[in-house]
Amino acid sequence: AQSVTQLDSQVPVFEEAPVELRCNYSSSVSVYLFWYVQYPNQGLQLLLKYLSGSTLVKGINGFEAEFNKSQTSFHLRKPSVHISDTAEYFCAVSDRGQAGTALIFGKGTTLSVSS
Amino acid sequence: NAGVMQNPRHLVRRRGQEARLRCSPMKGHSHVYWYRQLPEEGLKFMVYLQKENIIDESGMPKERFSAEFPKEGPSILRIQQVVRGDSAAYFCASTPGQGNTEAFFGQGTRLTVV
Repeated sequence: AQSVTQLDSQVPVFEEAPVELRCNYSSSVSVYLFWYVQYPNQGLQLLLKYLSGSTLVKGINGFEAEFNKSQTSFHLRKPSVHISDTAEYFCAVSDRGQAGTALIFGKGTTLSVSS
Repeated sequence: NAGVMQNPRHLVRRRGQEARLRCSPMKGHSHVYWYRQLPEEGLKFMVYLQKENIIDESGMPKERFSAEFPKEGPSILRIQQVVRGDSAAYFCASTPGQGNTEAFFGQGTRLTVV
């Protein structure tokens, strides 16, 4: 079984500041890792994913994440945030060994960007 | 290319009524997942379906909930005799096939039970 812990439920930052949203996972098997963003009253949109290869993954909207296997982490970062980045961010994993298995989500981190 | 379409976007039901939530996957996608999002919680997996088959329903409550994905038409999540605790956002996601690693999500149906 897998589980995902997002360490911060809310992260307030000022515009143009850097931000890091933390995600740790627990799993007895190898996993794929994902970050999704949810804007108010919208569905989820994929920001980026780690499947294999380079541990630094770049996604849309200037976000990137780094997979750290020894620390079982997949933290999301952006060097300079915009007001429009205000949203809910979800980290998720799925079992690499079983095709088609569902995503396991963390509880989410609310990013609030103010001017 | 239309994305995953869910309807209705908002649904209000009185306790004891039935709720039907519909999901049309992206064109060319034959795999559908349903998730439920409770307030202050992440999304929880409910059921995974292929056309005419339930692949994994380990996240579905044992009573009152059912899902189908017929050969023609959208996938349906059905909740019978709704209770206040069923109030949540229900999201559908689709993928082209079993081995695909990217799921595309709909905008969700927000169910309110009064």
